[in-house]
Amino acid sequence: ETGVTQSPTHLIKTRGQQVTLRCSSQSGHNTVSWYQQALGQGPQFIFQYYREEENGRGNFPPRFSGLQFPNYSSELNVNALELDDSALYLCASSYAGTSVGEQFFGPGTRLTVL
Amino acid sequence: GQNIDQPTEMTATEGAIVQINCTYQTSGFNGLFWYQQHAGEAPTFLSYNVLDGLEEKGRFSSFLSRSKGYSYLLLKELQMKDSASYLCAVSPGGYQKVTFGTGTKLQVIP
Repeated sequence: ETGVTQSPTHLIKTRGQQVTLRCSSQSGHNTVSWYQQALGQGPQFIFQYYREEENGRGNFPPRFSGLQFPNYSSELNVNALELDDSALYLCASSYAGTSVGEQFFGPGTRLTVL
Repeated sequence: GQNIDQPTEMTATEGAIVQINCTYQTSGFNGLFWYQQHAGEAPTFLSYNVLDGLEEKGRFSSFLSRSKGYSYLLLKELQMKDSASYLCAVSPGGYQKVTFGTGTKLQVIP
């Protein structure tokens, strides 16, 4: 059983650029959630994908968008990067059965916006 | 809306017991998670409470009172490696959105 993987591990961008972060879910999981974690804060929910559809969204602007693929892997895209987008981006996979299941987090992508 | 409160920092001695509290006010509630997060690493799952009461898992136990909007994580026989942030998170139900608190940074000292 493979765990959740994310790429890249670190990324440096400048304001106004665009970035794509990738996540491979754990084997057997069909749901991926993305979180943004600023230094010293808890993770903030960005959105969740289930069966290739967005299945809930937090308080993030439309320049944060995502995709889920048939193999349940996922991408997070951020356009027009701002300095405040600097954070650790976590993806978590789970199995959406009849009840909320535990989430397994990937190692995260550390994004720095200069 | 969702509001989750937990202490910012705690310090405890190696071998002792520590209790980390979490109170929540949410528009819906399905269950409460506890995660451990070491500095620079991803959160790792510790527990998920849906029903009232205490659930024990080795040195870690988690308690939930739905009527009081209250939970705690109990860590026994503290070890130096338990120094980490402990995140309380609530699932309001429906889709699996999870709302996290800001975390409690626990420092275990010799």
